[in-house]
Amino acid sequence: SQTIHQWPATLVQPVGSPLSLECTVEGTSNPNLYWYRQAAGRGLQLLFYSVGIGQISSEVPQNLSASRPQDRQFILSSKKLLLSDSGFYLCAWSGGAEGETQYFGPGTRLLVL
Amino acid sequence: AQSVTQPDIHITVSEGASLELRCNYSYGATPYLFWYVQSPGQGLQLLLKYFSGDTLVQGIKGFEAEFKRSQSSFNLRKPSVHWSDAAEYFCAVGIIQGAQKLVFGQGTRLTINP
Repeated sequence: SQTIHQWPATLVQPVGSPLSLECTVEGTSNPNLYWYRQAAGRGLQLLFYSVGIGQISSEVPQNLSASRPQDRQFILSSKKLLLSDSGFYLCAWSGGAEGETQYFGPGTRLLVL
Repeated sequence: AQSVTQPDIHITVSEGASLELRCNYSYGATPYLFWYVQSPGQGLQLLLKYFSGDTLVQGIKGFEAEFKRSQSSFNLRKPSVHWSDAAEYFCAVGIIQGAQKLVFGQGTRLTINP
């Protein structure tokens, strides 16, 4: 069966510091991968998606970037964090036998101080 | 533009009572529709989905939802709620633009009274 991992689970970072969040998927090949952000009291916003290695599409202009160095690895990065980057970041995957359904990881809570 | 509206931000029901969470969507084509549930500090768990066919879909944990094209709705129901159902519920529409993207509603927080 497929599983999706995110780490770290929680992160507290100062303003201006770099960021790297990692997401990995097991049990499937060539998944579509997604990064969402959930700000406090708000719904989920799609940030990036990827349909293959090295292929990244950005949905909203922002301080963040994404990379997909391996088939089942998706990384969310920033060179300099802003206060507004605080939130709950969720990675999701879709594809294979599951088709268009997206399955979510446990999330990373980021607090920028 | 595609959008999803969940009119109820917060709903409180008594344990054992029936539940209906409302969801309305705006999308020009035949939608893919989803309901997810999120417990505090957790990721999203898929409850059920509608792609085509029977408009009444069954999901996990005793939930069901009915797709009504004429009303652009996909309401979630459960005949008898349990205390463990307390969580946040998100309705989403899937749109195909390169990959399938999900557009989420703002969520409905469900509180269960004992």
